[in-house]
Amino acid sequence: DSGVTQTPKHLITATGQRVTLRCSPRSGDLSVYWYQQSLDQGLQFLIQYYNGEERAKGNILERFSAQQFPDLHSELNLSSLELGDSALYFCASSVGLGAKNIQYFGAGTRLSVL
Amino acid sequence: DAKTTQPTSMDCAEGRAANLPCNHSTISGNEYVYWYRQIHSQGPQYIIHGLKNNETNEMASLIITEDRKSSTLILPHATLRDTAVYYCIVRVGNAGGTSYGKLTFGQGTILTVHP
Repeated sequence: DSGVTQTPKHLITATGQRVTLRCSPRSGDLSVYWYQQSLDQGLQFLIQYYNGEERAKGNILERFSAQQFPDLHSELNLSSLELGDSALYFCASSVGLGAKNIQYFGAGTRLSVL
Repeated sequence: DAKTTQPTSMDCAEGRAANLPCNHSTISGNEYVYWYRQIHSQGPQYIIHGLKNNETNEMASLIITEDRKSSTLILPHATLRDTAVYYCIVRVGNAGGTSYGKLTFGQGTILTVHP
């Protein structure tokens, strides 16, 4: 158990809908990362927050947004869902910024868009 | 971040050492070598990381060549539960710029441990 909690584990929804994925980081971790893993793209970095502030963006679509709350949990919002958004979404957390800080991953949320 | 090259797949007999190579010939002086593994769609699991020196922990050993252009992850006594995709990742060390330590995953090495 990595200590990173993601909910829900599975999500099935229809095209055009909006969903929210939740992530609770490990106790004491200030940095949260979101990754997407699809069959054709592999594991890709989406966005990073540190202590409530956005710090880095990867290949995140404009239909997707995220935030980190004062209690440090994070939410990834996916809107106007398309079939291609079906994927595993992972959250990771680390104590600080930079490569010296180990990222620990949650078990992921499997999103199926029908 | 420096690119890495790994074999697509490898096999190993249970109980034997698994040696997974990784090439990172364009690595910079402040870039760390990280290893993660992913077991069948579970979340990636941190294994080990290093900058210049060889490292060992309860899971594995990391051997980095003197010129830092390649490394080897060693699982000393592989078990069936070590069957997974293993990712070698190079990360920039400082917290500046736009990367802020994101992980860039390649295709990894599919390690299959046989009975």
